[in-house]
Amino acid sequence: GAVVSQHPSRVICKSGTSVKIECRSLDFQATTMFWYRQFPKKSLMLMATSNEGSKATYEQGVEKDKFLINHASLTLSTLTVTSAHPEDSSFYICSAPKVGDNQPQHFGDGTRLSIL
Amino acid sequence: AQTVTQSQPEMSVQEAETVTLSCTYDTSESDYYLFWYKQPPSRQMILVIRQEAYKQQNATENRFSVNFQKAAKSFSLKISDSQLGDAAMYFCAYRRLDTGTASKLTFGTGTRLQVTL
Repeated sequence: GAVVSQHPSRVICKSGTSVKIECRSLDFQATTMFWYRQFPKKSLMLMATSNEGSKATYEQGVEKDKFLINHASLTLSTLTVTSAHPEDSSFYICSAPKVGDNQPQHFGDGTRLSIL
Repeated sequence: AQTVTQSQPEMSVQEAETVTLSCTYDTSESDYYLFWYKQPPSRQMILVIRQEAYKQQNATENRFSVNFQKAAKSFSLKISDSQLGDAAMYFCAYRRLDTGTASKLTFGTGTRLQVTL
């Protein structure tokens, strides 16, 4: 079964609203989680590394004030797209590494964000 | 910085045939991991196979195998006896050999594989 849960799976909202996406590790603690963005038929681009109890590390070119990341507990990271605009429409995926696991990272099922 | 290149945007293979997907990468590290991920239309990311750079033996997982050429920085995926369910986007990915868990994955641009009857 899934070890990383991402919610919601689909969001449609008006331009200017803020949208929060949750990423939970279900049966393990994750001090680190990753947030990716994927455009249609494109690769996954790492946006930021979420660190429990400290500030996220953003990749070059990613607006920190636009994409707020909070990792308040060992099982939950949230990505908030603030004042969303149509160009923020995309597929967002989170992942978390599980210590001692054969897989490098466990991925959530992603969130399709559509801004009207 | 590490980069991963997949030069084949699309590939097609007939059912039961064999296909090879190419991947090259650039790194200054001597030890690292390489992976192939499959992303079907459902958009789930599924790990297909992994290779540790310090291992000379090519990884194999059932119908999936890799040809890892460290000196050439090449990491191709061979799918044997292709099945309709193999149709998906395939991403090659690189990860540093950090002892911690905070090591990020760098993905290639992907290859869309079609499987025909």
